[in-house]
Amino acid sequence: ETGVTQSPTHLIKTRGQQVTLRCSSQSGHNTVSWYQQALGQGPQFIFQYYREEENGRGNFPPRFSGLQFPNYSSELNVNALELDDSALYLCASSLDSTTQYFGPGTRLTVL
Amino acid sequence: AQTVTQSQPEMSVQEAETVTLSCTYDTSESDYYLFWYKQPPSRQMILVIRQEAYKQQNATENRFSVNFQKAAKSFSLKISDSQLGDAAMYFCAYRRPDTGRRALTFGSGTRLQVQP
Repeated sequence: ETGVTQSPTHLIKTRGQQVTLRCSSQSGHNTVSWYQQALGQGPQFIFQYYREEENGRGNFPPRFSGLQFPNYSSELNVNALELDDSALYLCASSLDSTTQYFGPGTRLTVL
Repeated sequence: AQTVTQSQPEMSVQEAETVTLSCTYDTSESDYYLFWYKQPPSRQMILVIRQEAYKQQNATENRFSVNFQKAAKSFSLKISDSQLGDAAMYFCAYRRPDTGRRALTFGSGTRLQVQP
């Protein structure tokens, strides 16, 4: 059974740029959730996708957007990057209402 | 809105000893899920243990057990026979059980150090 994978592992962008982060869900899982974890803090919920539809959103601006594909993999897009967007971005997959399993994260640095 | 509080930023334990990490939460729901996740320096969040609020019995997973006090809204994690590999950040998390948004609400974490 393949676990949750994320790419890239880390990347560096400059303020104002756009970035796309990718997540492959665990086999058999149909729900993907994205979280932002600032240094020294707990993860904060960004949004969740269930069977290709957005299924809830946290307190993040519209420049944070996402997609889920038919194979249930997912993308997180962030436009007009700001310095405060520097964080670890975590993806978690689950089957319906069961436990969320996390990927290794993508470390984003905005300069 | 639900909140999760971890009041111990750091804890330390001797190898082979027992340590308890605290977590309290605030919710008006009667049914929900609680979790403990471990995040080692590798960054990957690993599930340690899960508790359903409707279950009276405290969950256990090998050396890990919880003390779930629903009335007090308390959910502590006990690690027995601590090992060096237990050193990590530990996060308590809450989730509503409804079929809508299944977001996790996390606490701020407790850093556990294990002394040899």
